[in-house]
Amino acid sequence: AQKVTQAQTEISVVEKEDVTLDCVYETRDTTYYLFWYKQPPSGELVFLIRRNSFDEQNEISGRYSWNFQKSTSSFNFTITASQVVDSAVYFCALAQGGSEKLVFGKGTKLTVNP
Amino acid sequence: SQTIHQWPATLVQPVGSPLSLECTVEGTSNPNLYWYRQAAGRGLQLLFYSVGIGQISSEVPQNLSASRPQDRQFILSSKKLLLSDSGFYLCAWSTGLAGFNEQFFGPGTRLTVL
Repeated sequence: AQKVTQAQTEISVVEKEDVTLDCVYETRDTTYYLFWYKQPPSGELVFLIRRNSFDEQNEISGRYSWNFQKSTSSFNFTITASQVVDSAVYFCALAQGGSEKLVFGKGTKLTVNP
Repeated sequence: SQTIHQWPATLVQPVGSPLSLECTVEGTSNPNLYWYRQAAGRGLQLLFYSVGIGQISSEVPQNLSASRPQDRQFILSSKKLLLSDSGFYLCAWSTGLAGFNEQFFGPGTRLTVL
């Protein structure tokens, strides 16, 4: 069975601090895809990134970076120099290759204080 | 560009009443469509998905049903609501299988059953 664990329920930081959101996944499949979504207070989920299981290269997009490590089944998300606008609930998700089902973690609520 | 609409934005319904939530997508053809429910403090749970008109797959047995009367229209219904049906309902679309394609989410409907 597939499972996504986001152990950090809530994180609070002060603006300009770096913060890492952890994501650990479980799957028996060799082909799978990992996602991160952001849910601001408005409620709409915003897609951030998708990685496939064959590409362990880390990715950086502005202040956002992702560290994918198959050896530890982790796909962690780091925000550098956090801003108040980064305050949101962040979800990690997993899909088996060729499947319609996207399995979400329970999310991490990030609060960035000015 | 593609847009996804959901209505109503909020809904308060008594137990035992019927439900109809609507989702429409613009700017794309033959999308895969999804209904998710987000209960308080929990991640997203996939309820239904559809890969074409009249094709509905159910992920979780419940008193909800879904229909896809048109290519870009997805409806979530219930004949009699339960208290446990309260939550935030999100519609999403993708161009293909969840594993290969990111899903784009609508603004959501917040349902409270009293």
